[in-house]
Amino acid sequence: QSVLTQPPSVSAAPGQKVTISCSGSTSNVGNNHVSWYQQFPGTAPRLLIYDSYSRPSGIPDRFSGSKSGTSATLDITGLQTGDEADYYCGVWDSSVSAGVFGGGTRLTVL
Amino acid sequence: QITLKESGPTLVKPTQTLTLTCTFSGFSLTTSGTGVAWIRQPPGKALEWLALIYWNDWQRYSPSLKNRLTITKDTSKNQVVLTMTNMDPVDTATYYCARRYDYREIFDYWGLGTLVTVSS
Repeated sequence: QSVLTQPPSVSAAPGQKVTISCSGSTSNVGNNHVSWYQQFPGTAPRLLIYDSYSRPSGIPDRFSGSKSGTSATLDITGLQTGDEADYYCGVWDSSVSAGVFGGGTRLTVL
Repeated sequence: QITLKESGPTLVKPTQTLTLTCTFSGFSLTTSGTGVAWIRQPPGKALEWLALIYWNDWQRYSPSLKNRLTITKDTSKNQVVLTMTNMDPVDTATYYCARRYDYREIFDYWGLGTLVTVSS
């Protein structure tokens, strides 16, 4: 059971938009910046969003992040079949002085 | 170019101690703000944060595994070593090392991971 709650799965059609949520508490999401990672089967995770809102170079602007209170959100617009992957949120938890990840969300592009 | 690579045994027996090495290049663990973490992922399951070490030897551990983990660094070899004692089949996972960026919970570079199976 992860400290951060993500929906196990989301799906949408190509071209549509999907939102993945990451719910935590004041000790983690509420007071620290969130990162998002994309992971394809059999590969290492890739940084998608950092500092809750920022994209590393090379990440398309179809991917965007936001945060409000103790929840963070990853939005993916203009869905492509190549976006099918698992998505994880990660954040520092100040109460235990350690990092935590969400349980992951599998995105299916129908 | 920044790279990280995990190495160690692919199979360990229950109760044994696991030692994994992360060998990196393209950055230095003597640089202020630089850290390396270990993260694992059991087959078909989520990522799990394990341990972190910084350039100044500041260390943090997962509370649930703290008693079993030790993380160390060898800056002359550009390596970070994780040891985990008393291995159990539930510890079967792919173990990743990743660079933590600038004192923030940002893992910008990851190794490919190494699968460790715990079985007698």
